[in-house]
Amino acid sequence: DAGVTQSPTHLIKTRGQQVTLRCSPKSGHDTVSWYQQALGQGPQFIFQYYEEEERQRGNFPDRFSGHQFPNYSSELNVNALLLGDSALYLCASSLFWQKWSSYNEQFFGPGTRLTVL
Amino acid sequence: AQSVSQHNHHVILSEAASLELGCNYSYGGTVNLFWYVQYPGQHLQLLLKYFSGDPLVKGIKGFEAEFIKSKFSFNLRKPSVQWSDTAEYFCAAAVTGNNNAGNMLTFGGGTRLMVKP
Repeated sequence: DAGVTQSPTHLIKTRGQQVTLRCSPKSGHDTVSWYQQALGQGPQFIFQYYEEEERQRGNFPDRFSGHQFPNYSSELNVNALLLGDSALYLCASSLFWQKWSSYNEQFFGPGTRLTVL
Repeated sequence: AQSVSQHNHHVILSEAASLELGCNYSYGGTVNLFWYVQYPGQHLQLLLKYFSGDPLVKGIKGFEAEFIKSKFSFNLRKPSVQWSDTAEYFCAAAVTGNNNAGNMLTFGGGTRLMVKP
């Protein structure tokens, strides 16, 4: 049973470029959340997708957008990259909490390390 | 807004020493609390979680945490650390009972633990 997978592992971009990161959830999961982990800090919630819709969003600008596909996999897109976007981007999958009426554990992937030069 | 704070950024211990990492959260409603661990080069893993009931929760690898509601604290403990416990530890919280909250995690800044052999 594969866990959460992310691609690519590492990515180097320059300021102003656009980037797409990909995530495949753990088998059986239907919800994908994205987090940004800057160096030396804890992960910060970006947004969450369920049923191909953005369900929640953290305090991130519109340059950060996402998508969820019918197979539950997800993409994170960042436009007009800034130096401050350099971070580890984590994907976490889970079952949608309302469906099960209790908190459902999130399982994290290994992350994509994005460096913006 | 919900927030989580961890008191120690870096902790250095010798093997067999006891460990206590502090975590405080600020939120007036019902929260679920978690400790995650990130070993060098690995993804975030759940150590333990508190939803309700017994405030002393036991997790994997001999870790435990105590929820003290009056102090808004959820400190992580281990009686005797091992070199293999060297990792970064994150405290996290998720609100419950709010249809808009889902299972978004709010993380603390992390504590980097180094255990000397």
